[in-house]
Amino acid sequence: ETGVTQSPTHLIKTRGQQVTLRCSSQSGHNTVSWYQQALGQGPQFIFQYYREEENGRGNFPPRFSGLQFPNYSSELNVNALELDDSALYLCASNERGKYNEQFFGPGTRLTVL
Amino acid sequence: DQQVKQNSPSLSVQEGRISILNCDYTNSMFDYFLWYKKYPAEGPTFLISISSIKDKNEDGRFTVFLNKSAKHLSLHIVPSQPGDSAVYFCAASGSGTSYGKLTFGQGTILTVHP
Repeated sequence: ETGVTQSPTHLIKTRGQQVTLRCSSQSGHNTVSWYQQALGQGPQFIFQYYREEENGRGNFPPRFSGLQFPNYSSELNVNALELDDSALYLCASNERGKYNEQFFGPGTRLTVL
Repeated sequence: DQQVKQNSPSLSVQEGRISILNCDYTNSMFDYFLWYKKYPAEGPTFLISISSIKDKNEDGRFTVFLNKSAKHLSLHIVPSQPGDSAVYFCAASGSGTSYGKLTFGQGTILTVHP
């Protein structure tokens, strides 16, 4: 059984640019959540997708957007990058209804210069 | 507003002894609590959870205790092993539309010395 995978592993962007991060959910999981983990902090919930629809959003501005595809892979898009967007971005997937048993990917480390 | 707090940034324990990691929360709407372990360059791994209707849940060497009146939970690891050295996060979830949207603490770095 393949776990949650994310790409790329590392990414460097400059302020004002746009970035797309990708996540492949664990087999059989139809719900994906994205988290931002700043250095020295715990992960912070960005949003969740279920069956290609947004199913809840944390305290993040609209320039953070997402997509979930029919094969349950997903993307996190961030427009107009700011220095404070530098963080580890984690995606997590779970089976329908098992929202409290989320399986995390290794993350994408984004650095904004 | 930090709704889930882990006030100890780090903990050092001798192999074979008990490790106790603590977590406090402020939101009384939380009704499900989890502990995750994270190694460097890996995503957090689910360890153990507890529902607010219980005060204790045990899984092998890991036990989680919940004190709702104090809004406090703790993770006990007995006996501690060097492989347990990692960052431990507690997380909480509400019900209804908040179900499954985890709120994490800042993490505690556990080091178990041989």
